[in-house]
Amino acid sequence: DIQMTQSPSSLSASVGDRVTITCRASQSISSYLNWYQQKPGKAPKLLIYAASSLQSGVPSRFSGSGSGTDFTLTISSLQPEDFATYYCQQSYSTPEGFGPGTKVDIK
Amino acid sequence: EVQLVESGGGLVQPGRSLRLSCAASGFTFDDYAMHWVRQAPGKGLEWVSGISWNSGSIGYADSVKGRFTISRDNAKNSLYLQMNSLRAEDTALYYCAKSIWGSYPPVAFDIWGQGTMVTVSS
Repeated sequence: DIQMTQSPSSLSASVGDRVTITCRASQSISSYLNWYQQKPGKAPKLLIYAASSLQSGVPSRFSGSGSGTDFTLTISSLQPEDFATYYCQQSYSTPEGFGPGTKVDIK
Repeated sequence: EVQLVESGGGLVQPGRSLRLSCAASGFTFDDYAMHWVRQAPGKGLEWVSGISWNSGSIGYADSVKGRFTISRDNAKNSLYLQMNSLRAEDTALYYCAKSIWGSYPPVAFDIWGQGTMVTVSS
């Protein structure tokens, strides 16, 4: 099975900050990588699919990049509603596992 | 309104069975692959199982393979998860999720239900 790791596991940031979260796969997954946002008590929300494709309705301050084993999610200017946990997910092979998550909270 | 509504969760003893259902509305159900994802209390997301639009492709996580069975009824706009031989480690909130594609694989989940809680305990 492909193992997914994320760094950092948590971070504190201020409104307006540029935030970068990294996801790494244990083997090459081409561009088969998704990013989700989850707020407490809510279902996850798809932000980015296929490494860099922005899901419809998601603000353009979110962007994704990478291929192979290393990927990043960038929030260009953190907004109050962005404080949440972010998960990556590989879509290259079954089981389509998630990373352990990165919690973004207020500094 | 595009919506997924899960049902069937509850408290069950180890070794027993439970069947989850997911009712879809607001989109053409038989155009899309569907999946189950679970989240244990205070933990991260775990993909459980997926099924293509026509049930031709099915997959399971290693942790549930041989115990869980996914199915769908396109005429009823419904997704199911038959869970047998339940274990304490199956305790989680189970989400039904719609893929952005009809085929499986690949996966990306754009619509999620609110989840149904399954608790396995004696």
